[in-house]
Amino acid sequence: EVQLLESGGGLVQPGGSLRLSCAASGFTFSNYAMNWVRQAPGKGLEWVSAITGSGGHTYYAISVRGRFTISRDNSKNTLYLQINSLRAEDTAVYYCAPLGYCAGDTCLDFHSWGQGTLVTVSS
Amino acid sequence: QSVLTQPPSASGTPGQRVTISCFGSTSNIGSANVYWYQQLPGTAPKFLIYRNNQRPSGVPDRFSGSKSGTSASLAISGLRSEDEADYYCASWDDGLSGWVFGGGTKLTVL
Repeated sequence: EVQLLESGGGLVQPGGSLRLSCAASGFTFSNYAMNWVRQAPGKGLEWVSAITGSGGHTYYAISVRGRFTISRDNSKNTLYLQINSLRAEDTAVYYCAPLGYCAGDTCLDFHSWGQGTLVTVSS
Repeated sequence: QSVLTQPPSASGTPGQRVTISCFGSTSNIGSANVYWYQQLPGTAPKFLIYRNNQRPSGVPDRFSGSKSGTSASLAISGLRSEDEADYYCASWDDGLSGWVFGGGTKLTVL
């Protein structure tokens, strides 16, 4: 059974930092590109960052470029997001997900994301 | 302003067929797969459709996806009260080198 478990969120002051983690299980983690997606309170889904299965390529939304760093440890089946210089507008629930759902011709077979981790930026 | 355009709301009565549209461009839907997500009130999103028209196991065949050119649609037939949720489309955008989402469509079952 595929499971995604996000952690590391919390209340942080503007300008502060956090490191989010996403523990994955139930699939060959290293084969799949992974993403962070966030949802501000009462708002829609916003893609934040992506990383290829090997970790060799990373991609960022313009709104977080230079402040957020995505990484992964395939030996631990874990995805990370280092978030620095936090702003009030970064307040959101952060989810990890294999948005592409497939690695080549091999596709996952699950439909539930993790529950996400809440980041609140406030003084 | 989302890169992919969805109607903010849709509605139908139980048993009806409802479609939700998603409009993009040649840099996203026109050249990449489309994905649909369902978010029930107060819960995390779920995969509903992947690669334009494929359903994960456990997703009822009442849900179907299609794509044509730079637009995509999600159809829900035999509408049920438990389908009341927010629905999002998404695709990879080559120009932005990132995923783009629609703004979401709130489906109400009357």
